Amino acid sequence: DIQMTQSPSSLSASVGDRVTITCRASQSISSYLNWYQQKPGKAPKLLIYAASSLQSGVPSRFSGSGSGTDFTLTISSLQPEDFATYYCQQSYSTLGATFGQGTRLEIK
Amino acid sequence: EVQLLESGGGLVQPGGSLRLSCAASGFTFSSYAMSWVRQAPGKGLEWVSAISGSGGSTYYADSVKGRFTISRDNSKNTLYLQMNSLRAEDTAVYYCAKIPGPLYSSGWYAPLWGQGTLVTVSS
Repeated sequence: DIQMTQSPSSLSASVGDRVTITCRASQSISSYLNWYQQKPGKAPKLLIYAASSLQSGVPSRFSGSGSGTDFTLTISSLQPEDFATYYCQQSYSTLGATFGQGTRLEIK
Repeated sequence: EVQLLESGGGLVQPGGSLRLSCAASGFTFSSYAMSWVRQAPGKGLEWVSAISGSGGSTYYADSVKGRFTISRDNSKNTLYLQMNSLRAEDTAVYYCAKIPGPLYSSGWYAPLWGQGTLVTVSS
C-alpha cells in the first residue's frame, strides 16, 4: 500500500496567517493527490483535486502544488471558517486509495 | 438539489450483519461511480469500497474484502454496502461519496459526500 504522511499533525495559527500543510507519499503518485477539509461532525469537503485544481466553489485562498511524492496545501490568509482538519488522499492506486492521518488546524 | 443520504447504521453484535443504503438525488445516478469511506471515532478517513456507474466493476480495501459487498440499483438511485462478519474495528461513520465519472480509476476524487451513518459493533 502507498503510505501518505502529513505534517504537521497539528498546527496553531491566527486569522490572516499564511499556512502550509505538507503531504508525502511513500512512492510516486504523479499528480493523483486530493485535499479535503473536515469540520467536527461533518462530512469531508473536497478542496483541491489532481494536486492543484481548485474545486468549484472553494475560495481562491486555498491552493495546492506538487507532484511525484511531495505535495503542499497552502491557505494564503486564514479565515475563521478555515479552522478544521485537513486530509490529503492519493488516488494513484485504486486498490487502496489511502488518506493521510490528518492535520488539525487550530486557532492560536 | 444534488445530495446523498445514507441510512441503515446502528448497533450490531460482533459477527453480525448490516446493510447500509445511500439514496442519491439531483443527478443521473447511473452515470457516476460511487464509493464508501469510513471514519472510526476520533480517527482519520479510510477508503472502503467503490463501484462503477454500471455496477459491473467493484473494488474493496483489503480490510473488508470477503466480508463486505458493494452494489447499486440504478433504477432506485441507491447504493448499498452489505456488511457481514462485522468486527469491533468496523465501528465507524460510513460515508458514501460520488465520483465525477462512470469509472473508478486512478485520479478519482469525491466532490460530493453524504452526511454519514454510524455503525457500532459491540456486544
